[in-house]
Amino acid sequence: EAQVTQNPRYLITVTGKKLTVTCSQNMNHEYMSWYRQDPGLGLRQIYYSMNVEVTDKGDVPEGYKVSRKEKRNFPLILESPSPNQTSLYFCASSLSAQGASYEQYFGPGTRLTVT
Amino acid sequence: DQQVKQNSPSLSVQEGRISILNCDYTNSMFDYFLWYKKYPAEGPTFLISISSIKDKNEDGRFTVFLNKSAKHLSLHIVPSQPGDSAVYFCAASAYSGAGSYQLTFGKGTKLSVIP
Repeated sequence: EAQVTQNPRYLITVTGKKLTVTCSQNMNHEYMSWYRQDPGLGLRQIYYSMNVEVTDKGDVPEGYKVSRKEKRNFPLILESPSPNQTSLYFCASSLSAQGASYEQYFGPGTRLTVT
Repeated sequence: DQQVKQNSPSLSVQEGRISILNCDYTNSMFDYFLWYKKYPAEGPTFLISISSIKDKNEDGRFTVFLNKSAKHLSLHIVPSQPGDSAVYFCAASAYSGAGSYQLTFGKGTKLSVIP
């Protein structure tokens, strides 16, 4: 089954404790992306990756890191989480980032709470 | 500056009637537009898209219209069904340089279809 998986689905942590949210897709997609969803703000892009070893900042990259060492995985790293990073996070992938190939498949989401 | 705007946070429609969701954009470099549907506790799912060279795209009950001169697109759902009740996100893609494309989302419109 074609899918994007994220782990963990729920996470409560404390300020400053490094964490990683994993994302994996099994569709051989080139393009992967991370979003956060906050009430009244919709979906905002954090980072994206056009292909292996190619990453770029989205609209709200501060406080986040990513890596793309393999095509299928795109982890999101919070080196020193803060309460303003409490949010619902989505990973997504698509065949490419251009035209009709841009229909993205989203993971189920990770709800992160930073106290 | 919000480049993709969905000015109606919510919309209620009677079952069987037409639902019209609107989206305005400001960036004339957007060349591809997409609509996503999101149910609670799930990731967004792709619904329908349209290239900037077209003015209409239809898929079953869903039709997207694009008016480039007005920088406006709309999603029509006919007939509306209770299962269509969800949050709908409008998204737009633009080339952001160095071979990269960026996808920008609106804040979403919550559609409620009343039986």
